[in-house]
Amino acid sequence: KAGVTQTPRYLIKTRGQQVTLSCSPISGHRSVSWYQQTPGQGLQFLFEYFSETQRNKGNFPGRFSGRQFSNSRSEMNVSTLELGDSALYLCASSHGVGKDTEAFFGQGTRLTVV
Amino acid sequence: DQQVKQNSPSLSVQEGRISILNCDYTNSMFDYFLWYKKYPAEGPTFLISISSIKDKNEDGRFTVFLNKSAKHLSLHIVPSQPGDSAVYFCAAMKTGANNLFFGTGTRLTVIP
Repeated sequence: KAGVTQTPRYLIKTRGQQVTLSCSPISGHRSVSWYQQTPGQGLQFLFEYFSETQRNKGNFPGRFSGRQFSNSRSEMNVSTLELGDSALYLCASSHGVGKDTEAFFGQGTRLTVV
Repeated sequence: DQQVKQNSPSLSVQEGRISILNCDYTNSMFDYFLWYKKYPAEGPTFLISISSIKDKNEDGRFTVFLNKSAKHLSLHIVPSQPGDSAVYFCAAMKTGANNLFFGTGTRLTVIP
């Protein structure tokens, strides 16, 4: 069965622009979470979507937003990009219900803001 | 505020010996813990998990131990193999919240 797919793999944007990243979860998974990985802060939780609704949110500014579609695919949008937004953005999918639900990660999108 | 901590940024071990990676957490609400392995330019790969109702979980060469009173968990890899060389992340969550809190990772190098 296919894993978590993130597109694009690499992206270079200019300060002030906006960007949209895409994530297709494992078939049957209804929860999609987004994480930001930077050398200084490690892996930090952005938000989680379940059945098209944002269920959990981390401590990121409103410039970071997301959505989930009826097929569970999710997009993450960052507006007014800043240099500090340069990071590896990871998407994880899981069943999202019940106990012991492991999250499976995609390969990530490497965003560079110049 | 780092709720999950991995205080050793790196660890080197001889092939065939035991690797012990440590992790501490501060939030007593966490009840599910996971270990992930990560290679450069790839997403984390799930390795093993443990629920707070257990103190040990084993899967092949990998064993995770949980000490709730000390808020400490460890991952044992026996025997270590060169292919185990990667960055290992400890993660914790509260069941139902479904967001993972990660440690900063430990880079394991297994020397042939």
